[in-house]
Amino acid sequence: GAVVSQHPSWVICKSGTSVKIECRSLDFQATTMFWYRQFPKQSLMLMATSNEGSKATYEQGVEKDKFLINHASLTLSTLTVTSAHPEDSSFYICSAGGGDNEQFFGPGTRLTVL
Amino acid sequence: AQSVSQHNHHVILSEAASLELGCNYSYGGTVNLFWYVQYPGQHLQLLLKYFSGDPLVKGIKGFEAEFIKSKFSFNLRKPSVQWSDAAEYFCAVGGGTSYGKLTFGQGTILTVHP
Repeated sequence: GAVVSQHPSWVICKSGTSVKIECRSLDFQATTMFWYRQFPKQSLMLMATSNEGSKATYEQGVEKDKFLINHASLTLSTLTVTSAHPEDSSFYICSAGGGDNEQFFGPGTRLTVL
Repeated sequence: AQSVSQHNHHVILSEAASLELGCNYSYGGTVNLFWYVQYPGQHLQLLLKYFSGDPLVKGIKGFEAEFIKSKFSFNLRKPSVQWSDAAEYFCAVGGGTSYGKLTFGQGTILTVHP
């Protein structure tokens, strides 16, 4: 199956700093990528849909200025958490869209904001 | 808007017991249905998917799911669970007006006692 990687897998940062998370589709080109957030013992919540070469589409309630998404190429999408605060601590997962709504998921990035 | 409901948050079984995890969704149009599994410390992996055709879908590792349109259900089954099946299972729905997006259920944690 298609392989999606994320980097870093784990990051700790100080409150007020920004953190960039990369999502790469390793063996296929992904026009669309998705960013999710997963709280402990909860489901995946879609944050935004990232389309190559255009602006991301954010879900209701997600601050676009706080969670900056860039999808500059068909194999790379980045999520930047700006001015991170402890409440932003979470598990962030990306996926790359295949055909028929199927998505291929990355391993996730654990963000801890001190 | 689509929503997905998984009936049980935590299921505990003994090895060789039969498994059935419930999933109901709330969208009346054409949908694509998925079951994903997340083993501890690993990324989401696709177990099986339904797009059209035979409503009984067979997936990897002996899992199967049955799409019952009249009940808006897509329950996951396995005749005999193994200790290695311990994981979290997510039902997801895509399609309709949310083309490309997936809506996830809350997840069901499966614990298997030897």
